[in-house]
Amino acid sequence: GAVVSQHPSRVICKSGTSVKIECRSLDFQATTMFWYRQFPKQSLMLMATSNEGSKATYEQGVEKDKFLINHASLTLSTLTVTSAHPEDSSFYICSARLAGGPNNEQFFGPGTRLTVL
Amino acid sequence: AQSVTQLGSHVSVSEGALVLLRCNYSSSVPPYLFWYVQYPNQGLQLLLKYTTGATLVKGINGFEAEFKKSETSFHLTKPSAHMSDAAEYFCAVSAAPGSARQLTFGSGTQLTVLP
Repeated sequence: GAVVSQHPSRVICKSGTSVKIECRSLDFQATTMFWYRQFPKQSLMLMATSNEGSKATYEQGVEKDKFLINHASLTLSTLTVTSAHPEDSSFYICSARLAGGPNNEQFFGPGTRLTVL
Repeated sequence: AQSVTQLGSHVSVSEGALVLLRCNYSSSVPPYLFWYVQYPNQGLQLLLKYTTGATLVKGINGFEAEFKKSETSFHLTKPSAHMSDAAEYFCAVSAAPGSARQLTFGSGTQLTVLP
């Protein structure tokens, strides 16, 4: 099956620093990748939709200047949390949709646990 | 617009007992429906999906779900629970291909399997 990786799996940073999270589709091309945020004991909330070669589409309430998304190739999307604060601590999960694939199926990465001190 | 309601944030069953996790959806267009499982500190793994055709769909690990349009439901079942089934389960709905908005998730159900 299609595999999506995320790096790093865990990151701890100081308040005010920026953190970059990578999402890669390992064995398929993904024209669209999605970034989700999950707080403890809660569901996944879509943050943004990332389309290769174009600007990301952010969900309402998500600050695009704080959560920078780049989708420079068909196999890589990055999420940069700028000037991170403790309230940004969360589990960030990406998913990728198979280019030309049927049925809207998304393949999920293993997630990145961000802790901001 | 679409939404998903998962009844019961926590479900406990004994090992070997029937597992039933409830999911109801709302969608203005024919839905695609999914069940995902999430183990602690991991991403989501697809258990099964309904797109078109047969309304009873079988997935991995012995799980199955039935799409009931009249009841707007897509409940997940497994005849006999294993300890390894303990995890968080998410139901999700999606519109047909071409929709800009993708998966909408339910709030999740934590399944506990008692020995």
